[in-house]
Amino acid sequence: NAGVTQTPKFRVLKTGQSMTLLCAQDMNHEYMYWYRQDPGMGLRLIHYSVGEGTTAKGEVPDGYNVSRLKKQNFLLGLESAAPSQTSVYFCASFSGQGATGELFFGEGSRLTVL
Amino acid sequence: DQQVKQNSPSLSVQEGRISILNCDYTNSMFDYFLWYKKYPAEGPTFLISISSIKDKNEDGRFTVFLNKSAKHLSLHIVPSQPGDSAVYFCAASAYNDYKLSFGAGTTVTVRA
Repeated sequence: NAGVTQTPKFRVLKTGQSMTLLCAQDMNHEYMYWYRQDPGMGLRLIHYSVGEGTTAKGEVPDGYNVSRLKKQNFLLGLESAAPSQTSVYFCASFSGQGATGELFFGEGSRLTVL
Repeated sequence: DQQVKQNSPSLSVQEGRISILNCDYTNSMFDYFLWYKKYPAEGPTFLISISSIKDKNEDGRFTVFLNKSAKHLSLHIVPSQPGDSAVYFCAASAYNDYKLSFGAGTTVTVRA
């Protein structure tokens, strides 16, 4: 059982380039999230989705776009990468049952913007 | 402004002793609290949680205590083991708000 899979695991971009991070989950979860982890800042929510076809902004949405065309996939896009977007990105999913709590995370995608 | 705060970036403890990790929150709407554990190059994994209607929840070596009046929770690990060396994140959510707010994390190092 793969759980939550993120691709790519590593990427180096130049300022102004665009890219898409893909998150796929095989647990039939309704909710999906994109977080970024930065030193001293913990995990900050970028965007999230409460179901197929829906998206919503989190704490730090600027410079990112997302799409949830299929229930199992949640894409995070950077249209014009900036050095401030150098970070480790984590995708997570949640079943939607019970209290909000047990998010399942992917292994992370390390992005460097030069 | 971060609504969940972990003011100790790191903690070093001897194997077999107790590890105590602290977390404070500012949002009075939070009613569910969790701890996640993260090893290098891996995603965070759920460790233990507590609802606001309780003041203590225990799971093996891990116990979480909640003091709602002080907006404070703590995680106790007894006894600490080398495999507990990791980053621990405190997280919180409000009722029907399907997203978590995380603290900055505390790096625990268990010395042999």
